Amino acid sequence: EPEVTQTPSHQVTQMGQEVILRCVPISNHLYFYWYRQILGQKVEFLVSFYNNEISEKSEIFDDQFSVERPDGSNFTLKIRSTKLEDSAMYFCASSLGRGSSPLHFGNGTRLTVT
Amino acid sequence: DAKTTQPNSMESNEEEPVHLPCNHSTISGTDYIHWYRQLPSQGPEYVIHGLTSNVNNRMASLAIAEDRKSSTLILHRATLRDAAVYYCIPMNTGNQFYFGTGTSLTVIP
Repeated sequence: EPEVTQTPSHQVTQMGQEVILRCVPISNHLYFYWYRQILGQKVEFLVSFYNNEISEKSEIFDDQFSVERPDGSNFTLKIRSTKLEDSAMYFCASSLGRGSSPLHFGNGTRLTVT
Repeated sequence: DAKTTQPNSMESNEEEPVHLPCNHSTISGTDYIHWYRQLPSQGPEYVIHGLTSNVNNRMASLAIAEDRKSSTLILHRATLRDAAVYYCIPMNTGNQFYFGTGTSLTVIP
């Protein structure tokens, strides 16, 4: 069964550094998402992306964050200047459609900001 | 966005059925009801979804109330591998898919 893959599985970075988290969605999916989960807390929506543009974003997704689909397969989340509070699991997801289509999640990237 | 209410936690004995309830009284007519689960140290995993009719798949069954204000996820025979946090999420053509706090299911051997 096709999977969403995320790399790296664990990223350690220093505060103030830029970090890029990478995702390869399922190949025929059209909608892409990033979520994060701070340790012990709930899964939080960050952003959704369709047709090469952001379609929805939450309050968490401020100017420090950006997303890109640089080629036909990768979907990236960039954090420009990391803060300690950005430490979390980041999950990428993709879906074929909206509403009636399930989201398929990757296993996440654990970001640790020191 | 539709608000959901789920019990914080539930327990089940292994190999017994489990009924996980969810109230979504503010759901709109076009919202699908999705269920996901998150096993420890893993990403969320799709379980099942439906609109109005009850649904079955290899993982579970979904019973949707006639007024659609509530639904129940049914695991027919709980296994230890089913221990997870279960989320019900109304989803529509808007792309805001928000997770609540879910129900933490403990399966007792």
